[in-house]
Amino acid sequence: EAGVVQSPRYKIIEKKQPVAFWCNPISGHNTLYWYRQNLGQGPELLIRYENEEAVDDSQLPKDRFSAERLKGVDSTLKIQPAELGDSAVYLCASSFRPGLHDNEQFFGPGTRLTVL
Amino acid sequence: AQKVTQAQTEISVVEKEDVTLDCVYETRDTTYYLFWYKQPPSGELVFLIRRNSFDEQNEISGRYSWNFQKSTSSFNFTITASQVVDSAVYFCALSGNAGKSTFGDGTTLTVKP
Repeated sequence: EAGVVQSPRYKIIEKKQPVAFWCNPISGHNTLYWYRQNLGQGPELLIRYENEEAVDDSQLPKDRFSAERLKGVDSTLKIQPAELGDSAVYLCASSFRPGLHDNEQFFGPGTRLTVL
Repeated sequence: AQKVTQAQTEISVVEKEDVTLDCVYETRDTTYYLFWYKQPPSGELVFLIRRNSFDEQNEISGRYSWNFQKSTSSFNFTITASQVVDSAVYFCALSGNAGKSTFGDGTTLTVKP
């Protein structure tokens, strides 16, 4: 079974440019997460989807970040315009969350973003 | 608000030594889940274990064991007879009853031959 797929793996852009990341979760996983991981720190949740609904986007900087999961499967995270401080690894994870129970998350390899 | 603290930033041991990674958490939820993940140098986080707040039984899986103590809000991870392949960053995480996940900042374990 394929794992969580993310693309691109690496992205280098200049500040003020837009950038987008794509994630395809494990088939059948209804919950999808986007995290940002800064160097030497743990993943920080940006947004969580249950199917196509964003149920927690409290940590998403909405002035420049946006995300969508239109058909409840794959998802795109966008930054526009990018700032120097956005340099980080952006991780996508998915899980099967039946009801109120929490299962383990399966992570993709991440996209390493460098903003110059 | 929930919080996970991994006080040990880096640990270095020699192969075959036992090592314990500490995790302390804070939450107001009565139902929650605790996790440990491993992030090897390749970068992809890998799930190791899940514990719910009502199950304080310790668990052993091969060389790995976990000690969950609700009284001290701790969920510590011990590797027995460490091996070089255990070198990685280990993250403790908490998920509350609203499904929000919080990770600690990780402990970098280096096992030297």
